[in-house]
Amino acid sequence: GESVGLHLPTLSVQEGDNSIINCAYSNSASDYFIWYKQESGKGPQFIIDIRSNMDKRQGQRVTVLLNKTVKHLSLQIAATQPGDSAVYFCAGRPNSGGYQKVTFGTGTKLQVIP
Amino acid sequence: DAGITQSPRYKITETGRQVTLMCHQTWSHSYMFWYRQDLGHGLRLIYYSAAADITDKGEVPDGYVVSRSKTENFPLTLESATRSQTSVYFCASSSLAGGLHEQFFGPGTRLTVL
Repeated sequence: GESVGLHLPTLSVQEGDNSIINCAYSNSASDYFIWYKQESGKGPQFIIDIRSNMDKRQGQRVTVLLNKTVKHLSLQIAATQPGDSAVYFCAGRPNSGGYQKVTFGTGTKLQVIP
Repeated sequence: DAGITQSPRYKITETGRQVTLMCHQTWSHSYMFWYRQDLGHGLRLIYYSAAADITDKGEVPDGYVVSRSKTENFPLTLESATRSQTSVYFCASSSLAGGLHEQFFGPGTRLTVL
């Protein structure tokens, strides 16, 4: 079945530097991925998504890269700010699945050092 | 403009007691969801509802009951709480046409079962 995990539980980054958060998935049938941001005491918030027919997608200060060969995706945050401090996790869904088939990763805590 | 709210935000109960977690959204979204979030696990779907009076099981439905008599409310009941149900519970909603990227989460309810 699908499993989605993150390489590092905690990432500390200096303010202004770029952050890279990684995620691995096991099901090659997954065709849709989402990155979420979860601040302390709040619910997850959608950041950016990508479909498996794309290698890269850019948003405002964020870029998601998808490497289907090694089943890996990453979230890059440019010019990291204190407000970016949160837990980030990815989610994946196989192309034949609905809401029940979405698998969420456990999260990486991003700490921004002022 | 409250969006999606959950109550209570914190709850402590004892094993065997019935507990109901409330979820209310003001957007008239068709879809509503209940997830639990535990350390070492990503979000896991408990139940979801596509519309009033339509509900379906998610990944971990055992021990939980839901109802949806009104579009805006989606209560989650633990009929006989167990320690394993200690968790943070998130409600979410999305519009009829919305996908995962348009799923909005509530602030969460932290439930402790003693």
